[in-house]
Amino acid sequence: GDSVTQMEGPVTLSEEAFLTINCTYTATGYPSLFWYVQYPGEGLQLLLKATKADDKGSNKGFEATYRKETTSFHLEKGSVQVSDSAVYFCALSHGAGGTSYGKLTFGQGTILTVHP
Amino acid sequence: DSGVTQTPKHLITATGQRVTLRCSPRSGDLSVYWYQQSLDQGLQFLIQYYNGEERAKGNILERFSAQQFPDLHSELNLSSLELGDSALYFCASSVDPGGLGYTFGSGTRLTVV
Repeated sequence: GDSVTQMEGPVTLSEEAFLTINCTYTATGYPSLFWYVQYPGEGLQLLLKATKADDKGSNKGFEATYRKETTSFHLEKGSVQVSDSAVYFCALSHGAGGTSYGKLTFGQGTILTVHP
Repeated sequence: DSGVTQTPKHLITATGQRVTLRCSPRSGDLSVYWYQQSLDQGLQFLIQYYNGEERAKGNILERFSAQQFPDLHSELNLSSLELGDSALYFCASSVDPGGLGYTFGSGTRLTVV
């Protein structure tokens, strides 16, 4: 079945540092890939997505590129802020077709803490 | 406010009891999803409804059931509750059944004592 593996956390950085959170996946076919962010006490918010190989998703300074050859979707940001402190989830979906229609498979989440 | 409303926000109940969690999707969204978030299992897909019909089923226990009503709100019923059912239960919605780009609610935290 589908699975998503994220780098183990937690990750602690100083403000303005470079961020990478690794994500690799196992899935049949050509899934869509997502990064979600969860702030304390809140639900998940879609951060960015990519629906086909070599697509780059970007939002709020975060980027991730869909690499089919390495089955990866690593999240990066050039300069993190204290307000980026949250839990980040990598996920995949097959969208249309099959019994997994619309279902998101999540990684275990990575806690990011940014200090001033 | 994401537009997806979940009630109640918190629920404390005893083992063996039954509870109902409610979700109102974002206006215009036809598809509703339920997820369970726990420390040991992470985020697990439970079930999806689209325009009133069950669309996909995940790791949902037989003690759990759900439905989507004609006004598109959904309810998740949890019965014969066990300590291990304590978790955050999220509802999400999307316009299409493919779910590209969910909107999540803020969740219901269930504590079984």
